[in-house]
Amino acid sequence: AQSVTQLGSHVSVSEGALVLLRCNYSSSVPPYLFWYVQYPNQGLQLLLKYTTGATLVKGINGFEAEFKKSETSFHLTKPSAHMSDAAEYFCAALNQAGTALIFGKGTTLSVSS
Amino acid sequence: NAGVTQTPKFQVLKTGQSMTLQCAQDMNHNSMYWYRQDPGMGLRLIYYSASEGTTDKGEVPNGYNVSRLNKREFSLRLESAAPSQTSVYFCASRRLTGKAAGNTIYFGEGSWLTVV
Repeated sequence: AQSVTQLGSHVSVSEGALVLLRCNYSSSVPPYLFWYVQYPNQGLQLLLKYTTGATLVKGINGFEAEFKKSETSFHLTKPSAHMSDAAEYFCAALNQAGTALIFGKGTTLSVSS
Repeated sequence: NAGVTQTPKFQVLKTGQSMTLQCAQDMNHNSMYWYRQDPGMGLRLIYYSASEGTTDKGEVPNGYNVSRLNKREFSLRLESAAPSQTSVYFCASRRLTGKAAGNTIYFGEGSWLTVV
């Protein structure tokens, strides 16, 4: 079955700490992977994506993610959290047919001062 | 540059009422989507339209109908609303369907629907 799993529905960090949001995908989906961010009462904004090429992908707002095929993972990181990073984050993968995105259940990131 | 525009943004319906959510994109994209977002469930695909003139069911199509009116517009209709359809609905679009590299899906701002 095609699926995307986000480990941890809620992650809390202190301002300045490392942010690590985990995402694993089923091996049956093609390796086209995305991270989206959703601020309260807003739509989804693309943070970064992996399609082909370099496995370390840099996105907006200082986020990056590494595609690891052997681990079927695409974890999102940021070296130093900022209060403005508090939001919900979604990992997504293109489905096998290439017609739509399959989403994980989301991880809410809280940042405390 | 408006991108993907959805209307209305907020709506309260009574059980059994019908309504249509409107979506338009100005990016000349071929593919359009309707997702619903529920707490703890992520986003689930309701229907999609790979190109003008075609529509296909997604993961949760029951209780919904769609119309791809033209290349720009893709509407979602609830014929007889039920409390289980209380959700946030997102329209999205994409330049092409398939696995083309760099083919990002862009989302609208969402429509908050409550069925009482």
